[in-house]
Amino acid sequence: GAGVSQSPSNKVTEKGKDVELRCDPISGHTALYWYRQSLGQGLEFLIYFQGNSAPDKSGLPSDRFSAERTGGSVSTLTIQRTQQEDSAVYLCASSTAGLAPEQFFGPGTRLTVL
Amino acid sequence: EDQVTQSPEALRLQEGESSSLNCSYTVSGLRGLFWYRQDPGKGPEFLFTLYSAGEEKEKERLKATLTKKESFLHITAPKPEDSATYLCAVQAVMGGGADGLTFGKGTHLIIQP
Repeated sequence: GAGVSQSPSNKVTEKGKDVELRCDPISGHTALYWYRQSLGQGLEFLIYFQGNSAPDKSGLPSDRFSAERTGGSVSTLTIQRTQQEDSAVYLCASSTAGLAPEQFFGPGTRLTVL
Repeated sequence: EDQVTQSPEALRLQEGESSSLNCSYTVSGLRGLFWYRQDPGKGPEFLFTLYSAGEEKEKERLKATLTKKESFLHITAPKPEDSATYLCAVQAVMGGGADGLTFGKGTHLIIQP
């Protein structure tokens, strides 16, 4: 079946511009996660959605970052007034509900801020 | 604060030369420890979940084990196609971001033919 998809695969933007990154989770998965992977760093948790519950935003690095999930499916991560340090690969994952379900990752969006 | 440390950072082996990758962790309460494989330009690919000390899981040439402080990924008679970055992550029982995984920086494994 179809896995997690993300778009665009690459995004180049200028400092100060806003960007939107999209994630389509695996059908039927109620949980959705966003992570960031910077060069030389491990994956960093950003935000978590579970069903219709309020999202866990504890990993968002600043108030320039926000995310929403419409209809319990597609999610959009928005970065406002981008900075060069925002350059990274942004990964989305989805899972079923449960104690410690495996998270299935998409291919990521490579963001470059000039 | 949950922490995951992987060693070595990089490992170069000859085809058929078995070895182990280490993942040391500190977590307030372990819900699960995960191993992933990541190829260049791709998202992580799930390998194993371990839940409690003493647990072991196997898949082809890979075997993952878990103690209260660390996990090992044993690679037996590796092939060049096993070359990748191997990531370890933990999920805590509770606390901020508990449902998100805390990842180590990975071990970059190269298997030479």
